[in-house]
Amino acid sequence: EVQLVESGGGLVQPGGSLRLFCAASGFKFSIYSMNWVRQAPGKGLEWVSYMTSDTRTIHYADSVRGRFTISRDNAKNSLFLQMNSLRAEDTAVYYCVVSVAGHFDYWGQGTLVTVSS
Amino acid sequence: EVVLTQSPGTLSLSPGERATLSCRASQSISSAYLAWYRHKPGQTPRLLIYSASTRATGIPDRFSGSGSGTDFTLTISRLEPEDFAMYYCQQYGNSPIFSFGPGTKVEIK
Repeated sequence: EVQLVESGGGLVQPGGSLRLFCAASGFKFSIYSMNWVRQAPGKGLEWVSYMTSDTRTIHYADSVRGRFTISRDNAKNSLFLQMNSLRAEDTAVYYCVVSVAGHFDYWGQGTLVTVSS
Repeated sequence: EVVLTQSPGTLSLSPGERATLSCRASQSISSAYLAWYRHKPGQTPRLLIYSASTRATGIPDRFSGSGSGTDFTLTISRLEPEDFAMYYCQQYGNSPIFSFGPGTKVEIK
């Protein structure tokens, strides 16, 4: 069974940093592209970042480019999102998501990030 | 930049009725890269349809997708209680590489 478990969310002040972590199991993590997708309170889904299995291709949404960094450790079946210079509008549930051929097949339960003073 | 628009914003229907949801792209996109998701409150989004018309694993046949170019449709033939939720379309491959529509809420009438 595919499992994606996010952690690392919490309350942080504007301008602060946070590192999200996703532990993957139940599938061959090293061959799949991975993503972070978020949902702000009362809002829709927003794709945040993408990384291919070999880490050679990375994409970011314009709203986070230059502030967020995606990374992965295939040996440890782990995905990360380093978030710097956080803003109130970054407040959201962040999902770790497996993508296959451009669609999002498997989603974690999400971790809540709250940016507030 | 491709912008996805979904209509209607809210659909009020009764269980057993047919639901027709629309997703329109600001420019032509490949049918291979258009997907639909159902998102129930407190739960994880679930992939329903990919490549515009292919049902994902375990998705019942009351869900169907169609369309091409800029106009795509998700049809739920007979609404079950668990189908009252938010629905999002999503595209891949254009700028931005991934994007979602704003969603359609299907609510109980």
